[in-house]
Amino acid sequence: LAKTTQPISMDSYEGQEVNITCSHNNIATNDYITWYQQFPSQGPRFIIQGYKTKVTNEVASLFIPADRKSSTLSLPRVSLSDTAVYYCLVEKNTGKLIFGQGTTLQVKP
Amino acid sequence: DGGITQSPKYLFRKEGQNVTLSCEQNLNHDAMYWYRQDPGQGLRLIYYSQIVNDFQKGDIAEGYSVSREKKESFPLTVTSAQKNPTAFYLCASSIRKDRANYGYTFGSGTRLTVV
Repeated sequence: LAKTTQPISMDSYEGQEVNITCSHNNIATNDYITWYQQFPSQGPRFIIQGYKTKVTNEVASLFIPADRKSSTLSLPRVSLSDTAVYYCLVEKNTGKLIFGQGTTLQVKP
Repeated sequence: DGGITQSPKYLFRKEGQNVTLSCEQNLNHDAMYWYRQDPGQGLRLIYYSQIVNDFQKGDIAEGYSVSREKKESFPLTVTSAQKNPTAFYLCASSIRKDRANYGYTFGSGTRLTVV
């Protein structure tokens, strides 16, 4: 299974752009890269998914280089409510979604 | 609104008892999953089911059991054989199409505490 590696924690201030990078060196051809957000005592929530290049939605952007061995989640102008754990996952068609430890983002005023 | 409902939100269990956590979805999703989350940790897969009347063990299935008699329901039983059951339990579902899974949706979780 493709293993992902991301920083354990990050700090930021309100209004700043936050970039969280994830490495997935053994990603397979048919795999997608997906990011989830989790608040304490809640289930993870889908943020964004991509296969290659760049994807943007109303919440975030996802940058994926040509070799697809890493990806970067970009959160524009974060607020205090963006304080959460962010998980990078490689989705396969095996029927299982494997989570790592995620990145705890702390946004400060 | 479609979604996943987990109940109860909080559950207390005495040592040696079996307890069952409920998970119901009205999203018409084919696949359903159970995860366990311990403090400060990521989610670990307990069991998953891709179709009715079929399920597979995840990474930490020992001490747990499931059933999938209906598409909408995937209850998890935490048995007395589970040595450390205190945790946050999350249920999820996804669409299964062309042998791949899409659109994972999670419930709001059940916090189980052994007293």
